[in-house]
Amino acid sequence: GAVVSQHPSRVICKSGTSVKIECRSLDFQATTMFWYRQFPKKSLMLMATSNEGSKATYEQGVEKDKFLINHASLTLSTLTVTSAHPEDSSFYICSAALLSSGRGIREQFFGPGTRLTVL
Amino acid sequence: AQKITQTQPGMFVQEKEAVTLDCTYDTSDPSYGLFWYKQPSSGEMIFLIYQGSYDQQNATEGRYSLNFQKARKSANLVISASQLGDSAMYFCAMRPFGNEKLTFGTGTRLTIIP
Repeated sequence: GAVVSQHPSRVICKSGTSVKIECRSLDFQATTMFWYRQFPKKSLMLMATSNEGSKATYEQGVEKDKFLINHASLTLSTLTVTSAHPEDSSFYICSAALLSSGRGIREQFFGPGTRLTVL
Repeated sequence: AQKITQTQPGMFVQEKEAVTLDCTYDTSDPSYGLFWYKQPSSGEMIFLIYQGSYDQQNATEGRYSLNFQKARKSANLVISASQLGDSAMYFCAMRPFGNEKLTFGTGTRLTIIP
C-alpha cells in the first residue's frame, strides 16, 4: 500500500512552453502533498506544500506564478511549470502524507520523480 | 529552523562489510523525528528507517539500524552485511513533531565494491 505515482516520468520541452506534472496517491487519500526539486547530485529542496481544496503554501524563494500547484482532489496534485526556461530543468519529486499505523507517525510516501529538460 | 549535515559525500565499502553513514542535525524543537531514505539511480526515494526523538531505543529495520545519540545530535545509519544493491544515495532528514515538512541533508553516495 501507500503508492504514489507521477506522470510523466520524463519530459523534454522547448523554452517558453508550460509543462504539467501529475502526482497521484493510488491507494490512499492525501489531504497534503509536497513538491520537491532536486538538482543533479544535490539534495531535495521543498518547493511547496499542496493542500487539498486550498491554496498551496510556497517556500521562501519559490515563485508562485512560475510553479502553479493545484490539489483539486484527495488523490491528485499537479505542478505546472509555466513559461519554462533551461534553468527550470531539474528532477521534480512529489510526496503524499499518510498516517503510518505501524510507526504511529505521518509518513511521506514519494513518487518516482519527473525529469524535466527545457531546451 | 532545522539543519541536517552529512559530511561524507561519497563512500566505498567492500561487499558484506558493515557501513556507517554519518548524520548530525541541529534544531531548537524539543520533539522531532529523524528519517533515512535511499535514492537509487532511478530516482525514487525509499524510506529506510525512522527514529523519534523521545524513543528510548535505537530503531532497527532488518539490516538497517540507527545509532541515535541525542546529546550529540547525531543519527548515524548503520547497514550491516552490505550488498551490491545497497549502492545508492542516502539522505538523512528530519522534521519537528506537528510539522510535516522534511529537511534533507546533502546526501552520501555509497558504492559497494564486489
